[in-house]
Amino acid sequence: SQKIEQNSEALNIQEGKTATLTCNYTNYSPAYLQWYRQDPGRGPVFLLLIRENEKEKRKERLKVTFDTTLKQSLFHITASQPADSATYLCAGGYGQNFVFGPGTRLSVLP
Amino acid sequence: NAGVTQTPKFQVLKTGQSMTLQCAQDMNHNSMYWYRQDPGMGLRLIYYSASEGTTDKGEVPNGYNVSRLNKREFSLRLESAAPSQTSVYFCASSDLSGRPSYNEQFFGPGTRLTVL
Repeated sequence: SQKIEQNSEALNIQEGKTATLTCNYTNYSPAYLQWYRQDPGRGPVFLLLIRENEKEKRKERLKVTFDTTLKQSLFHITASQPADSATYLCAGGYGQNFVFGPGTRLSVLP
Repeated sequence: NAGVTQTPKFQVLKTGQSMTLQCAQDMNHNSMYWYRQDPGMGLRLIYYSASEGTTDKGEVPNGYNVSRLNKREFSLRLESAAPSQTSVYFCASSDLSGRPSYNEQFFGPGTRLTVL
C-alpha cells in the first residue's frame, strides 16, 4: 500500500530563517501532493497543491517542490515567523486513495 | 459563512453504544469526506461522497456507516462503538466532484470521541 512519510521529530528554527519540511513517498508516485497546516485542536487548512508534472509551486512565502526521481516533496517557508508554528501535513493522491502523512511539527523561535 | 461545522465537539461513549456525528457545509460544495486522526498517524479516509446521492468507502470503513442527507449534510454513524474507534473525527468538503486526491479540502473543527 502507499505510504507518505514525514519527519516525526519536531523542527525548531529561528525567526527569519527558511524552514524546510520533507515528505517522502513509497512505491508509486502520487498524481498530486497537497500540503496542509494544522494548529492544535483545529482541522487542517489547505496550503498548496502540486501536480506530478510540476516541479515547483509558489504562494507568497511558501514554496513546494515535487521530485519524482527522489520520491520526495519539499515544503519551504521563507522568512519564517512565530505565527508559522504549527504541524504541517503532506498528502498524496493515488487514484481513489488519498493518503496523509503523520505531519511534522514546526516551531519558529523568536 | 460558517464553512464546515461538526457536532458534537466532544463525546464519550461506552462500548456497544451507537451515535451519529453530524457534518454540514454552507459552501455549496459537491464532495464531502470523513476522516479519523490518531496520534502518530496521518488522517485516514473513512468514507467519502463525491456528489449528492453517492457514497464510497475509503481506507478504513469498517464499523462505520454514512448518509449524504442532502448537498449540505454528511453524517457518520457508529452502530456499535469499540475502544479502537477512539479518535478525532474530521469532516471535510471540496468544490469539485470526485475523489479527494485533486481537490482542495476544507475541514471542520473535529469531534473528539472517546469509547470506554
